[in-house]
Amino acid sequence: GESVGLHLPTLSVQEGDNSIINCAYSNSASDYFIWYKQESGKGPQFIIDIRSNMDKRQGQRVTVLLNKTVKHLSLQIAATQPGDSAVYFCAEGGYSTLTFGKGTMLLVSP
Amino acid sequence: EPEVTQTPSHQVTQMGQEVILRCVPISNHLYFYWYRQILGQKVEFLVSFYNNEISEKSEIFDDQFSVERPDGSNFTLKIRSTKLEDSAMYFCASSEAILNYGYTFGSGTRLTVV
Repeated sequence: GESVGLHLPTLSVQEGDNSIINCAYSNSASDYFIWYKQESGKGPQFIIDIRSNMDKRQGQRVTVLLNKTVKHLSLQIAATQPGDSAVYFCAEGGYSTLTFGKGTMLLVSP
Repeated sequence: EPEVTQTPSHQVTQMGQEVILRCVPISNHLYFYWYRQILGQKVEFLVSFYNNEISEKSEIFDDQFSVERPDGSNFTLKIRSTKLEDSAMYFCASSEAILNYGYTFGSGTRLTVV
């Protein structure tokens, strides 16, 4: 669900499990969506993107699913590794801006 | 792999003082951005910059903020009179094209206003 202030939704998984991180976006007119990973003390790092004319896009170990009907975006990480531990943000692309969601912290236990 | 470089990594300043945050975007990128992230909150857009002028700016980017590309490599964010609520991580980013959202972000400058 939504987070407020310092409290981020947290997903805890075991190494090797598949992870699913969800995001609800607000603007039904958005046509470009991106997932970013942010490790502690670093800037956001691009993971994968998807345009609104697609429902699914796959990368290396990651899949993004887009459900425009309910304005929902998800990121699936296969065979999650400890190095995947980070905060994950979805973002909507505007003309020259990104609007970020509030983030989900993924914790991967060995 | 090309990087966006930000300096300093940490900056502590007195309330009311001016600060300049510096960024070196990736050399062949044409679009430059500043975002900020207050501790524990989401990343927020401040301003985008192209062809030596501001393309878009958010409500956060008021008259206290300015950006400049003083030479061919640096991109700076100036806050004229800092307030306590300006304390945040400030991220610079760059991209090759306006519709290329795969921005490359720098590692950020942590600004603390005391």
